[in-house]
Amino acid sequence: SQTIHQWPATLVQPVGSPLSLECTVEGTSNPNLYWYRQAAGRGLQLLFYSVGIGQISSEVPQNLSASRPQDRQFILSSKKLLLSDSGFYLCAWSVRPGPYEQYFGPGTRLTVT
Amino acid sequence: EDKVVQSPLSLVVHEGDTVTLNCSYEVTNFRSLLWYKQEKKAPTFLFMLTSSGIEKKSGRLSSILDKKELFSILNITATQTGDSAIYLCAFGNQGGKLIFGQGTELSVKP
Repeated sequence: SQTIHQWPATLVQPVGSPLSLECTVEGTSNPNLYWYRQAAGRGLQLLFYSVGIGQISSEVPQNLSASRPQDRQFILSSKKLLLSDSGFYLCAWSVRPGPYEQYFGPGTRLTVT
Repeated sequence: EDKVVQSPLSLVVHEGDTVTLNCSYEVTNFRSLLWYKQEKKAPTFLFMLTSSGIEKKSGRLSSILDKKELFSILNITATQTGDSAIYLCAFGNQGGKLIFGQGTELSVKP
């Protein structure tokens, strides 16, 4: 069966510091991968998605970036965090491209102080 | 701009009650509508609907889509405290992305 991992689970970082969040998927090949941010426990905002290694699409212009160095690894980064980057970051995968079910990881709660 | 609106935003019921959660959408290129349940952390997938009028059911949960009136409902019968969660709906567009509503926070009291 497929499993999705995210780490760290929680993170407190000062403004201006760098960020690296990691997501890995097990049990499937060539998944579509997604990064979402959820503010205040509400709707999810799509940040990035990837259909393959090195292929990243950005949905929202901001100081975050994403990379996919391996088939089942997806990384969210920032060079300098802002207070507004605080939130709950969720990684998700889907087995096929398109408007179909996505499966979410446990999330990382980021607090920028 | 594509939009998904859920109502109510929050709801408090007692165990045994039946609840109906609403999701309406104003979107172009509709392809699917999905429901998720989110407790503490990761949203878990409940249903995906693509055709009008066909009910999907899983235990005490059921959902139906009306593509003419542009809405979907999620019903939960005989609610239990374990049903307490945020329920998210999302629409899938032709580009393959999911656009989420703001969620309904359901609290089931014993």
